[in-house]
Amino acid sequence: GAGVSQSPSNKVTEKGKDVELRCDPISGHTALYWYRQSLGQGLEFLIYFQGNSAPDKSGLPSDRFSAERTGGSVSTLTIQRTQQEDSAVYLCASSPTWTHYEQYFGPGTRLTVT
Amino acid sequence: AQTVTQSQPEMSVQEAETVTLSCTYDTSESNYYLFWYKQPPSRQMILVIRQEAYKQQNATENRFSVNFQKAAKSFSLKISDSQLGDTAMYFCAYTTSGTYKYIFGTGTRLKVLA
Repeated sequence: GAGVSQSPSNKVTEKGKDVELRCDPISGHTALYWYRQSLGQGLEFLIYFQGNSAPDKSGLPSDRFSAERTGGSVSTLTIQRTQQEDSAVYLCASSPTWTHYEQYFGPGTRLTVT
Repeated sequence: AQTVTQSQPEMSVQEAETVTLSCTYDTSESNYYLFWYKQPPSRQMILVIRQEAYKQQNATENRFSVNFQKAAKSFSLKISDSQLGDTAMYFCAYTTSGTYKYIFGTGTRLKVLA
């Protein structure tokens, strides 16, 4: 079946502009994660969605970052007024449930802020 | 605080040889899960192997095996008969029972040489 997909694959934007990154999880997966991967760093947790529960936003680095998940499926990560330090690969992962203990990752979106 | 440490930023190995990637973690939990994920240049993270802490037997998946030393909090990955397709970043990750949060190491870049 189809895996996790993300779009766009690459995004170059000017400092100060807003960007939207999209994630399509595997059908039926109730858990969805967003991570940020900066050069030379591990994966930094950003936000977690589980079904219809309130998301865990504790990893969002600033109020310029927000995310939503519509209908328990597609998720959009929005970064407002982008800064150069936002440049990174943004990875999305989904899981059947949070107790499944294995995440299925998308290919990521490489964001470059100039 | 729970941490995952990968002390080898880069490694190389000749094709057909064996290589071991190191991972140590710090936790006071007794029930947890450990993972090795592979991220090739395509950026698609895929699960290589997982280990449940309550299992004494080391996990094995074809050419990949782990050396899980619970008392030492060590979780190394051994790749036997290395292949060019094994060239990738390898991330060690940890999660505990009852939580959805994962902690990732900073990764080891492995290059398999022809």
